[in-house]
Amino acid sequence: NAGVTQTPKFRILKIGQSMTLQCTQDMNHNYMYWYRQDPGMGLKLIYYSVGAGITDKGEVPNGYNVSRSTTEDFPLRLELAAPSQTSVYFCANQRGSTDTQYFGPGTRLTVL
Amino acid sequence: DAKTTQPNSMESNEEEPVHLPCNHSTISGTDYIHWYRQLPSQGPEYVIHGLTSNVNNRMASLAIAEDRKSSTLILHRATLRDAAVYYCILNSGGSNYKLTFGKGTLLTVNP
Repeated sequence: NAGVTQTPKFRILKIGQSMTLQCTQDMNHNYMYWYRQDPGMGLKLIYYSVGAGITDKGEVPNGYNVSRSTTEDFPLRLELAAPSQTSVYFCANQRGSTDTQYFGPGTRLTVL
Repeated sequence: DAKTTQPNSMESNEEEPVHLPCNHSTISGTDYIHWYRQLPSQGPEYVIHGLTSNVNNRMASLAIAEDRKSSTLILHRATLRDAAVYYCILNSGGSNYKLTFGKGTLLTVNP
């Protein structure tokens, strides 16, 4: 089983460009999360989902959008990239509300 | 959300035990104590969690104070592969299942 996979691994964007970060899981977990991690800092929650069709904002949602049409996929959309969005993005899933979170390998995004 | 306090960094020698402390003085009765670690250039990975009793698994042990206001992650024999940032996080589940990551403790293991 692949667990939580993320694509791409690396990406460089120009200011104002858009992109979608992909996250897929094969664990059939209901809960999915998107975090960003700036250098030397802990992870900050961007958006999360408790199941297909249900999403909600986390701590730092501005500049991002998500959708959850299936249990497996939870893409993160950046509409107008800004240098402040330069970060490493991690997707995670979780079976139940007090269970372990499993993280993907991350996407390193640079906005120039 | 109840918060945790950890030292910014700690050092250990290889093959020696490591005790990583975490204070959570405002913990509520339903908060689980979770520990994750993040190896360089990787996503966080689960280490251990507990509610009230001490817990052991193949990676580590978790010692929880009787009043639950502090806990200690114990690595019994540190290896170079244990060098990572260790995060202590509270999770009360239910409608408050989101994890809040602080800066964690950077553990350096000396050969």
